[in-house]
Amino acid sequence: EDQVTQSPEALRLQEGESSSLNCSYTVSGLRGLFWYRQDPGKGPEFLFTLYSAGEEKEKERLKATLTKKESFLHITAPKPEDSATYLCAVQGGGGADGLTFGKGTHLIIQP
Amino acid sequence: GAVVSQHPSRVICKSGTSVKIECRSLDFQATTMFWYRQFPKKSLMLMATSNEGSKATYEQGVEKDKFLINHASLTLSTLTVTSAHPEDSSFYICSAKDTGNSPLHFGNGTRLTVT
Repeated sequence: EDQVTQSPEALRLQEGESSSLNCSYTVSGLRGLFWYRQDPGKGPEFLFTLYSAGEEKEKERLKATLTKKESFLHITAPKPEDSATYLCAVQGGGGADGLTFGKGTHLIIQP
Repeated sequence: GAVVSQHPSRVICKSGTSVKIECRSLDFQATTMFWYRQFPKKSLMLMATSNEGSKATYEQGVEKDKFLINHASLTLSTLTVTSAHPEDSSFYICSAKDTGNSPLHFGNGTRLTVT
């Protein structure tokens, strides 16, 4: 059974204070690891897909990296508008296309 | 980009009644859509995979007779919560992808409250 564990559950940062969110996973045959952003009362918004260890992707102040056991979402010089819940999900090699999600990290950026 | 529209965004119903939630892919065709349920401070839990023109595939523990899924066209899937009870109150989210290698795109969810 695929499993995803995210840490920390919640993180409060000052504006401009860089940090990293962790996503540890166990999966049979990783087909993809996904990062999403979710705002309160909204559906998840796609950020990145990573497919293999060593891969990195960047978008504005966010950078996602992947190893064989975990992924990190690095946030550089965050702004208050980066406040959201960040979700990590994996797609395993079992044939089904549904994703297994972690519980998310609730990020608050204080001005 | 791929847009998934979900309706309604909020619904309140009385215990025992049924509620239908619609999920539409606006600018692409989706042979497969997914229905998730999310509790506060919990993961999104996959409920079922909706397949166009065939029966949905339900995850273990999800009652197929309670959560009826219909995927009658390449752009529309519906989830009907039948004989709703307060414990069915939750945030339901649908998702779809337009090509084999594209990521899942999510609707904005439906907040169901059963009184």
